[in-house]
Parts: sequence; structure tokens; C-alpha cells
Amino acid sequence: QVQLVESGGDVVQPGRSLRLSCEASGFSFRHYAMYWVRQAPGKGLEWLALISDDGTKKFFADSVKGRFTISRDNSRNTVYLQMNSLKVEDTAVFYCAAPEGAAPLAYWGQGTLVTVSS
Amino acid sequence: DIQMTQSPATLSAYVGDRVTITCRASQTISSWLGWYQQKPGKAPKLLIYKASSLESGVPSRFSGSGSGTEFTLSISSLQPDDFATYYCQQYDSYPWTFGQGTKVEIK
Repeated sequence: QVQLVESGGDVVQPGRSLRLSCEASGFSFRHYAMYWVRQAPGKGLEWLALISDDGTKKFFADSVKGRFTISRDNSRNTVYLQMNSLKVEDTAVFYCAAPEGAAPLAYWGQGTLVTVSS
Repeated sequence: DIQMTQSPATLSAYVGDRVTITCRASQTISSWLGWYQQKPGKAPKLLIYKASSLESGVPSRFSGSGSGTEFTLSISSLQPDDFATYYCQQYDSYPWTFGQGTKVEIK
């Protein structure tokens, strides 16, 4: 079965960087785009980023464009979210998600918490 | 960016009620819409994709309809397990966007 396991969440100070990882299993990772979504405490869902199956195409939400980057290592079945210049408002649970057929966000990980605080 | 507006923000209903949640897009998104259910402390769960296709394993009491800019999620007979927050999400164009959510509460 499909499993997505995020890791890397931590407490960091504003302006610092953090890299999140999402290890996938149970499907042919190299053939699918992957996504990151976040949820600030008590708030709704916010789509953040997409990376194509081969890593050549990337799209970002306006709120993180220029600060966050997305990458993948198909040999490790892992997608990454590099977060730079973190702000207090980036505090959230970060989820990775994977598609199935015509549904782009069919599978979700359990999430990893990032707290940005001085 | 495409704005997604859900209504109502909160919905109070009894077990057995039929409930309907509406999602409106600020511009046409064809049928590129998903619906998700989220319970506290858990990851979202896909219910409906492409506006009206039921995800495998999701009970048939859930249904989606609409196209263009107006969409609905219906639950034919609300069950205790259905009390949760529901989100719509467009994937017609980047950046993808979610509605603000509809919390379904027990009356």
C-alpha cells in the first residue's frame, strides 16, 4: 500500500532554513509528480509546491515562491522541501501528497510540524 | 490566482440528515476539483476527484457535482463518522488553491 512518511520538522528561529523529506513507498515513485501542502495551527489547507516526475517542472504558491524549493531523488523515493528565510507565519504542519490516476492529492503523509519562533 | 469560496463555514446537522456544501471558483475550472475530509489531528482524506468521481473506498453516501465555477458536495445521510471539516480544492491552474473549509458539527 502507498505510504508517505515526512520528516525534518523542528523548531527554528526566523530567518533560518530547514529541509523536509518525504519518503514514499508502495508505488512507482519515479513515474509520478509529488506535492507539498501545509496547514497552520487552527487554519485551513494551503497548497505549496509541485515537482514533476522527472524533476524538471516545479510550481510554487506565491506565499513561498523564492524562499522554498522542491527537489526529488528518484533513487531514494524521496521528495524534499527546502525552506529558506523562514518566517513566523510559516509555522505549520507540512504534508506531502501523491497522486492516483486523475486525483493529484490522493495519498497523504502523516505530516511534520515546523515551528518558527524566536 | 483562482479563489475558492466555500459555504457555509459551519454546518450543524443531525445524524441521518442530508447535507450539502457549496464551493464556488472565481473563474472556470472545468471539472478539476477535489473534495477532502479532515478530522482533528489527522491528514486530509480524498473523497471526490474530478468534481464527481468517488474515490475508491469512500462510502456511496458521498457525492459531488458541478462544473465550471459552481460545485457541491452532498452527504445523503449523515453518519457519526462524518463530523469533520471538508475542503474543496481546484487543480485547474497553478497555484492550486483550497477553499477555507466547512466544519460539519453535531446538532
